[in-house]
Amino acid sequence: KAGVTQTPRYLIKTRGQQVTLSCSPISGHRSVSWYQQTPGQGLQFLFEYFSETQRNKGNFPGRFSGRQFSNSRSEMNVSTLELGDSALYLCASSLNTGPTEAFFGQGTRLTVV
Amino acid sequence: QKEVEQNSGPLSVPEGAIASLNCTYSDRVSQSFFWYRQYSGKSPELIMSIYSNGDKEDGRFTAQLNKASQYVSLLIRDSQPSDSATYLCAVKGGSYIPTFGRGTSLIVHP
Repeated sequence: KAGVTQTPRYLIKTRGQQVTLSCSPISGHRSVSWYQQTPGQGLQFLFEYFSETQRNKGNFPGRFSGRQFSNSRSEMNVSTLELGDSALYLCASSLNTGPTEAFFGQGTRLTVV
Repeated sequence: QKEVEQNSGPLSVPEGAIASLNCTYSDRVSQSFFWYRQYSGKSPELIMSIYSNGDKEDGRFTAQLNKASQYVSLLIRDSQPSDSATYLCAVKGGSYIPTFGRGTSLIVHP
């Protein structure tokens, strides 16, 4: 069974640009969550999508947005990139929303210069 | 502010010993608890989930949950050098928004 697939694995962007990251969940999983991981802040929850609807949102500015498609694949967008957005962005999929286990993809390493 | 606290370590144990990793959380209505292992430069890997008070065993791993004390732990028996990693504790409360601890670095030396 294939795991969670994130693309691209690495990305370098310039301040002010925008970026779109993609996540394909485990087959049959309907919930996709996004996280930001930095050495300073640790692993922080961005948002969760389930059945194409945002179910939960973390404490991040509106520059961070996402969406989910009917096949459960999800994209995350960051607009007007700042240096502080440099981080490992992780996607996790779960069978359903709620108190369920989440399985992480390999992540996208974003560097903003 | 919901918090999940872990000792950053490093926790150093000899090969074959029991490693004990601890986590406390502040949200009394927390419902589900997870332990992840993260190797340097890699993504977190789910090791265990626990939902009710008591112990849950899976191979060399045992998760222990005490909701009254707001405490969850992970025991690793017969520790191996390959267990050297950062262990993240994650907690989901009533809103199901997960909160992660900063992780405990474990070093298992031969």
